[in-house]
Amino acid sequence: GQNIDQPTEMTATEGAIVQINCTYQTSGFNGLFWYQQHAGEAPTFLSYNVLDGLEEKGRFSSFLSRSKGYSYLLLKELQMKDSASYLCAVMDSNYQLIWGAGTKLIIKP
Amino acid sequence: ETGVTQTPRHLVMGMTNKKSLKCEQHLGHNAMYWYKQSAKKPLELMFVYSLEERVENNSVPSRFSPECPNSSHLFLHLHTLQPEDSALYLCASSQEVGQGGDEQYFGPGTRLTVT
Repeated sequence: GQNIDQPTEMTATEGAIVQINCTYQTSGFNGLFWYQQHAGEAPTFLSYNVLDGLEEKGRFSSFLSRSKGYSYLLLKELQMKDSASYLCAVMDSNYQLIWGAGTKLIIKP
Repeated sequence: ETGVTQTPRHLVMGMTNKKSLKCEQHLGHNAMYWYKQSAKKPLELMFVYSLEERVENNSVPSRFSPECPNSSHLFLHLHTLQPEDSALYLCASSQEVGQGGDEQYFGPGTRLTVT
């Protein structure tokens, strides 16, 4: 079966760095997405990785290792507004998105 | 403003009621999706439409009936639901179906409670 694993919840301090991991087992691979979802709001796109390596976008970076079935989202200089759920999703061989259950990130002052 | 709107934002209905959820996208996309989001569970893909044609139906009970009259509008008709159908229903759109790297744009969702 297809499976995406990510931690249920993480806590970090304002101004610090946090890394949210995602491991996957899917039928084929056509890229990995990270989305951010604030409570009661729509998920919004953060990043897309299809090749191995690190993609940097401001305070957020996303890393992919296809051979290990592994990705992480790195958030730097954490702000209170970063408190949200972070969803990992993999596009399989049928170009269908397989979603993880999300990681709830709590930022403390 | 995400470009994808959903109404209503909240809905409480009894198990014998009939109601409809509406989604509209203003992005000129050709693909639209319905997802179910339950607490602490992955997003569940329910239906996929490409240019008003249904291309995916992931074993969804018949009490959920989608309708796509044109590429900008998507409906989810609800009939004789069960309490376990209570969830957040999200609509999304993307440029095309079956295209790598094609991000999906989500609406704010309808929070459905079945009593």
